[in-house]
Amino acid sequence: EIVLTQSPGTLSLSPGERATLSCRASQSVSSSYLAWYQQKPGQAPRLLIYGASSRATGIPDRFSGSGSGTDFTLSISRLEPEDFAVYYCQQYGSSPYTFGQGTKLEIK
Amino acid sequence: QVQLVESGGGVVQPGRSLRLSCAASGFTFSSYGMHWVRQAPGKGLEWVAVIWYDGSNKYYADYVKGRLTISRDNFENTLYLQMNSLRAEDTAVYYCARDSRYGDYVRGFPDYWGQGTLVTVSS
Repeated sequence: EIVLTQSPGTLSLSPGERATLSCRASQSVSSSYLAWYQQKPGQAPRLLIYGASSRATGIPDRFSGSGSGTDFTLSISRLEPEDFAVYYCQQYGSSPYTFGQGTKLEIK
Repeated sequence: QVQLVESGGGVVQPGRSLRLSCAASGFTFSSYGMHWVRQAPGKGLEWVAVIWYDGSNKYYADYVKGRLTISRDNFENTLYLQMNSLRAEDTAVYYCARDSRYGDYVRGFPDYWGQGTLVTVSS
């Protein structure tokens, strides 16, 4: 089973700043099969990024993903108030498909 | 639009069984793989299981094998999760979610999610 470790656990930033979230895998994720999700309190997760760097339908271009192998990054270029939420990475290169433990992005 | 509506959650005693349902609409259910993902209160997301579009293949997280069974009824556009021998650690919101790939195999990541149903295992 591939274990995903996200860092930091909590990130405190102000609107307009840039956010960089990390997701590290315990072994290489094949074909960069890594996705990112956003979850707000009381809501279901929302798909942001798949294939490490492809934005899902309707996702603003301030969200970008990068990385390969074992190290992946989600970047949000200019934080909007609605971006403060919890973010999860998920690998789907091999079953069982696993999620990271999440990074909480909070307003500073 | 894609809609996924879970039901069947509630309070159940340890060791008992429960079956969750997920009613799908707004897309061709029989052409997509489907996932169950759970989230314990205040915790992160945990993938549970996936089933192919036709039910021919099923994969599970290691911790649920033998106790939880995913299935589907393509005539009723419904996904199921049969949960047996429930434990306190199974307490969670259970989400059903559509796999992102149309057709003959699953891609492995969901693109649409329901709002979830809460299962509480407690005596």
